[in-house]
Amino acid sequence: ETGVTQSPTHLIKTRGQQVTLRCSSQSGHNTVSWYQQALGQGPQFIFQYYREEENGRGNFPPRFSGLQFPNYSSELNVNALELDDSALYLCASSLVADPGELFFGEGSRLTVL
Amino acid sequence: QQPVQSPQAVILREGEDAVINCSSSKALYSVHWYRQKHGEAPVFLMILLKGGEQKGHEKISASFNEKKQQSSLYLTASQLSYSGTYFCGTEVAPNAGKSTFGDGTTLTVKP
Repeated sequence: ETGVTQSPTHLIKTRGQQVTLRCSSQSGHNTVSWYQQALGQGPQFIFQYYREEENGRGNFPPRFSGLQFPNYSSELNVNALELDDSALYLCASSLVADPGELFFGEGSRLTVL
Repeated sequence: QQPVQSPQAVILREGEDAVINCSSSKALYSVHWYRQKHGEAPVFLMILLKGGEQKGHEKISASFNEKKQQSSLYLTASQLSYSGTYFCGTEVAPNAGKSTFGDGTTLTVKP
């Protein structure tokens, strides 16, 4: 068990709606990253949060936004959902001292109809 | 730009060996490897840093050629539990805040 928990595990939305995904980091980890994984592809980096501030962002539009809370948990918000947003959203926690050693949650499967 | 993995898929019998490769067009600081089984979270296997430092599971071995920006993961005496999709992730600088992943290599181990 990785210690990273995500919720909800599955959800269905329609185009134009908004969604919030949640992530609890592994104990002691101060960095949270979010990834989008389309079927048959590798995880695509969305952004990373460290000390409640964004610390790097991938090639995703501003309608993808996030938050990190003082307890290091995090949220991913996606506005104006599009069909292509359908994917598995993975949260990964890590330590700044060990940036490549990511501990992933099992993800939130989002389907946009 | 994402790293390129090869092969895309490989099928083995138990006990056979496999090598999975990861190549980048950028100068890398680190390469890390994960295994993801269907419906599960990716699991960290190993990280290789520029300069030769490595950290990971004892039964996994890998190499990192800094001149060629290539890494290889060596799976020896494969077991059924090795089946899954293997991803390499790369970082271009320490604390860069971004890991870029390849599209994966699917390994199937048959009895």
